[in-house]
Amino acid sequence: GAGVSQSPRYKVAKRGQDVALRCDPISGHVSLFWYQQALGQGPEFLTYFQNEAQLDKSGLPSDRFFAERPEGSVSTLKIQRTQQEDSAVYLCASSFGGGGFINEQFFGPGTRLTVL
Amino acid sequence: AQSVAQPEDQVNVAEGNPLTVKCTYSVSGNPYLFWYVQYPNRGLQFLLKYITGDNLVKGSYGFEAEFNKSQTSFHLKKPSALVSDSALYFCAVRDGVLGDNDMRFGAGTRLTVKP
Repeated sequence: GAGVSQSPRYKVAKRGQDVALRCDPISGHVSLFWYQQALGQGPEFLTYFQNEAQLDKSGLPSDRFFAERPEGSVSTLKIQRTQQEDSAVYLCASSFGGGGFINEQFFGPGTRLTVL
Repeated sequence: AQSVAQPEDQVNVAEGNPLTVKCTYSVSGNPYLFWYVQYPNRGLQFLLKYITGDNLVKGSYGFEAEFNKSQTSFHLKKPSALVSDSALYFCAVRDGVLGDNDMRFGAGTRLTVKP
């Protein structure tokens, strides 16, 4: 399909392991966002890319979290030395324009990360 | 910083009746307001947004929302609910300050429409 895809859909990690979560946005979408959604909560903003430029990373909770989008399409969210509090669903969204949050965002199905 | 509140965790309505899902917000500048819906095992889907203009915004699947600046509210409404509208609804707000990319989501309201 032509929607946003994320992989893996589910990830179980032992505490201290590094994980990498992938997002394939809709082709041609300039903006890409990462969110963290804890159980029973709404999504919380992590970071925003416009093409390959990371314009805002103010929501990343610690320096263990790192995101990249080197060619302006696929993005990877990496979490180093995972902790139990990192357990959540990680959502990726993309939008056509470069206007940040003004435009409609298309969300992927998310990656559910469980840290044991 | 901006914030958004959805005061009801759960809303139950009978099919065919009107529905309202409440949302209030707090921003320092002008608000950009959004509603998203999350169906089971599916990603969030955009319903509608208010950026500027008419206070009554019409969106997907027959939903609409009214921006009320004095009450700082953006309630989601539909005149006649369908069982298929049962889902989790999220209100979101962004402070319309240039360069601010932080959008805040509410905790969500679970809508159940009973036949």
